[in-house]
Amino acid sequence: EDQVTQSPEALRLQEGESSSLNCSYTVSGLRGLFWYRQDPGKGPEFLFTLYSAGEEKEKERLKATLTKKESFLHITAPKPEDSATYLCAVQALVAYKLSFGAGTTVTVRA
Amino acid sequence: EPEVTQTPSHQVTQMGQEVILRCVPISNHLYFYWYRQILGQKVEFLVSFYNNEISEKSEIFDDQFSVERPDGSNFTLKIRSTKLEDSAMYFCASSRDQKNQAFFGQGTRLTVV
Repeated sequence: EDQVTQSPEALRLQEGESSSLNCSYTVSGLRGLFWYRQDPGKGPEFLFTLYSAGEEKEKERLKATLTKKESFLHITAPKPEDSATYLCAVQALVAYKLSFGAGTTVTVRA
Repeated sequence: EPEVTQTPSHQVTQMGQEVILRCVPISNHLYFYWYRQILGQKVEFLVSFYNNEISEKSEIFDDQFSVERPDGSNFTLKIRSTKLEDSAMYFCASSRDQKNQAFFGQGTRLTVV
């Protein structure tokens, strides 16, 4: 069964203090790894898809990277509006469902 | 920007009652999904639907649950004989194809009392 583990569970940052979130995964053949952002009481909002080791994607202050066992979401110079729960999900070659991790809740203080 | 729309945003029902959760996927998408998130827990896959039939379902999606695309725009999740443990946020999602990212709605919070 696919397993996705995210760390840390929670991250408190000062505005401008860069950091990284980790997503380690076990899957029987990776089709894609997805990052989503979730605000309280809302649905997941798509950020990135990564398909192969070595791939990187960037969007504003966020950068996602992928290796064969884990993915990192780097937040550079975060702002309070970056406060959210960041979810990692994997899609296996043998199925199309997304298997989600528990998420990392990021709080950025001004 | 196109979005997935879910109604109602909040539904309260008595244990044993049937509920129908409704979704309007993005118009040119062909694959539709239901996920749920129990408070404080992971987002869990329930079912995927393509070409008017279920293409994949999880162990959670038992005979209590059913899905339907009654017309060209709506996608519904029916939960029969609701139980307290069915209380959760239910998310509808859609994608252009199964390899592309899924776009999620804002969810329906189901409370079973």
